[in-house]
Amino acid sequence: GQQVMQIPQYQHVQEGEDFTTYCNSSTTLSNIQWYKQRPGGHPVFLIQLVKSGEVKKQKRLTFQFGEAKKNSSLHITATQTTDVGTYFCAAPIFGNEKLTFGTGTRLTIIP
Amino acid sequence: SAVISQKPSRDICQRGTSLTIQCQVDSQVTMMFWYRQQPGQSLTLIATANQGSEATYESGFVIDKFPISRPNLTFSTLTVSNMSPEDSSIYLCSVDLGGNQPQHFGDGTRLSIL
Repeated sequence: GQQVMQIPQYQHVQEGEDFTTYCNSSTTLSNIQWYKQRPGGHPVFLIQLVKSGEVKKQKRLTFQFGEAKKNSSLHITATQTTDVGTYFCAAPIFGNEKLTFGTGTRLTIIP
Repeated sequence: SAVISQKPSRDICQRGTSLTIQCQVDSQVTMMFWYRQQPGQSLTLIATANQGSEATYESGFVIDKFPISRPNLTFSTLTVSNMSPEDSSIYLCSVDLGGNQPQHFGDGTRLSIL
């Protein structure tokens, strides 16, 4: 079964509003990665978090790794239409190289 | 990073036929992977393509249905055999460059079976 749960499955926000997606695992993760997939595109790597409690920022995107290394979040401040897509977390659960992807959160922006 | 060329980019196939998808990387990589993404779903790992040996398949995927070749460190193929409409998906190859780098994905092959 799915080892990496992600919520919400869908999120519709007005342009300019904030957006957050959450990723949870039942096991402690060595690292967690975030990918963005635009409609019709392929997953594109955004960031990797490795340390407990780590917080990284990329412009309007803030990524956080939980203290127990079992959960993570991606927060987008003041969304723009270019943020549309599906955001996936992914983690090596069954091996150092094999990634298990979360269920994804599909973000749509209402202009 | 790596440049990954995957082809075909899309195809429409008849039920019962087979299609081979190619993945070419511009540098030698140890780990290559094949994923399936069914419509509206997340990515599911099909198998790890091992150079010089048989691919390692994940639960629910078998070699007879998804034969994989990995003749060298820059190339792999995935064949979707005896296709049915349930095989309509995006198939993606990815590479692991090692050294704590993330996986990089090809553009994917959008496959529709009539």
